[in-house]
Formats: sequence, C-alpha cells, structure tokens
Amino acid sequence: GAVVSQHPSRVICKSGTSVKIECRSLDFQATTMFWYRQFPKQSLMLMATSNEGSKATYEQGVEKDKFLINHASLTLSTLTVTSAHPEDSSFYICSATRTDYEQYFGPGTRLTVT
Amino acid sequence: EDKVVQSPLSLVVHEGDTVTLNCSYEVTNFRSLLWYKQEKKAPTFLFMLTSSGIEKKSGRLSSILDKKELFSILNITATQTGDSAVYLCAASGIQGAQKLVFGQGTRLTINP
Repeated sequence: GAVVSQHPSRVICKSGTSVKIECRSLDFQATTMFWYRQFPKQSLMLMATSNEGSKATYEQGVEKDKFLINHASLTLSTLTVTSAHPEDSSFYICSATRTDYEQYFGPGTRLTVT
Repeated sequence: EDKVVQSPLSLVVHEGDTVTLNCSYEVTNFRSLLWYKQEKKAPTFLFMLTSSGIEKKSGRLSSILDKKELFSILNITATQTGDSAVYLCAASGIQGAQKLVFGQGTRLTINP
C-alpha cells in the first residue's frame, strides 16, 4: 500500500513563532503533494498544490508568505506556518499522489497556537 | 466555481439500519468522484468512481455515480457502531493536477 507520514502529529507553539510540518511518502515517489487545512466540524480545504522542484500553487485566499511550502524531493514536502497566530490553529493534512490519481492522506498534524 | 454538496450533514441511526449518503457536484471537466471515511484523524479512502452506473462494492459499503445528474450515493447496509464517522465526498477535474474539491461531510452516528 501507499503510506504517507506527517511529523509532528501534534504541536503547540506560542503566537509569533514559526512551525514546520513534514509530509513524507514512505514507499512511493509522489508526483504531487497537497496541503489541506481542516477546522473543527468542517471539511478539508485545499491550501496549496506542491510539485517537486517547482513553486507551490496556492488556492485563493491562502497567503503564500505565511504558509511556506517546500517540495525538495519526490518523497518530502514541508509546510512552514510563519509567525503563527491563534487563528492558524487547525488540523493540517497532507496528501500525496502517484500516477494513478488516487490521493493518499497523511495522519494529519494538529497545530495549537497559544 | 467548483463545488461539492453532501446531504444530510448529520445522521443518527440504530445499529443494523441501512443508510444512504448523498453527494452532488459541479466540477469543470469532471474526472472522478471519491468517497472517504474520516474518524479521528485523516481520511481513509473508500471508493473512486469514474464511470456512470457501475456500482462499486466493498463489504457492506457500496457506491454508484450518475454523471448525467451529477451525483453519487454511498450506501451502508447492516450498520455497525464502527461505521460511525464523517463521510467525505470529493470530486476532481481533468485540469488542476488531481486537485480534489471536498464536500462538507456527513457525520454518521450509529447507536447500539
């Protein structure tokens, strides 16, 4: 099967600090990785699409300077939430695709900004 | 703007009941519709549907797509308490590199 991991699974940080979340495809090379955000009792909202070696494509309303995405290899993408504020507290989920168009989701990272 | 709408948003039934979850979509250059089950963490994949009228089945779960009427249903028969979860429907278009548009989800609660 296709396994995607995320690290950390849970993080608490102070307002104004930056937090980096890693997404790895463990047993396959991901052509594309996606980053989603999910607020309590709401659905997944796509934040950005990330392809290895190129700049991420951000969805409308997502600040690219605040949510920095780096896709350094075919198995690793990182999301850095810069100068985090309490309203950034959310569940962040990544997914990775192979060529079969099926998305494999990571277990998610719960970010709490105090 | 692409959108996916699920109904009902919430459903409470007794163990053993059969449930039908609905998903309608409006997606430019539609390619596929996917169903996911989400419990406490990230969604787990259930089905991907690309052709109209062909039922996909996995145990007590089944799903079908109607590309003419732009909707899909997910059926769960003989429900069990372990089926309690949020069920998400998502649609993708040919353009946009497999980008998925998610519905709001249906929160299903199975009472013993």
